[in-house]
Amino acid sequence: EVLLQQSGAELVRPGSSVKISCKASGYTFTDYYMHWVKQRPEQGLVWIGRINPANGNTVYAEKFKSKATLTADKSSNTAYMQLSSLTSEDTATYFCTRSGSLDYWGQGVMVTVSS
Amino acid sequence: DIQLTQSPSSMSASLGDRVSLTCQSSQGIGNYLSWYQHKPGKPPKPMIYYATNLADGVPSRFSGSRSGSDYSLTISSLESEDTAIYYCLQYDEYPFTFGSGTKLEIK
Repeated sequence: EVLLQQSGAELVRPGSSVKISCKASGYTFTDYYMHWVKQRPEQGLVWIGRINPANGNTVYAEKFKSKATLTADKSSNTAYMQLSSLTSEDTATYFCTRSGSLDYWGQGVMVTVSS
Repeated sequence: DIQLTQSPSSMSASLGDRVSLTCQSSQGIGNYLSWYQHKPGKPPKPMIYYATNLADGVPSRFSGSRSGSDYSLTISSLESEDTAIYYCLQYDEYPFTFGSGTKLEIK
């Protein structure tokens, strides 16, 4: 069974960074890209970017190029997303999801940016 | 970037109704379009992939179709559990883009 298990909710201060994780199981981690999606409260879904776990190659949506950094650890089958210089606009739920057609999703991580 | 325009933005229908949601692409994306059902507090659930293919475990009352750059998700007989927001996604080219969603409610 394919599972994407994400880390727990985060409460972080404005201006800080946060790193959230997504541990994959039930398939060969390096065979599928891992994507990340953002959903702000009461808003729609936004694609952030994706990483190829096999070689670390990344593609980002333009607005996230200086906000998000995607990495992957093949030894632990875990993908990570670091968000930097956090503001209230980054308060959202973040999902990891597997390529090709985003067929499996993590449960989501709620990140709250507040002083 | 490719824009996906979903319509209507919200709708209300009765149990047993046939319901169709649409998603129009600003550029050609072939069949690289998926539909997701999203309920509060849960991750989006894949319903249709490659425009017309039913995802695993999805009831057969759901179907997807394509006419040119217009894509549709149809529910043949609406059930109460179908209340949700439905999003389309194009995965033909980067950046992937989602439609703005259709909120479906039961009358």
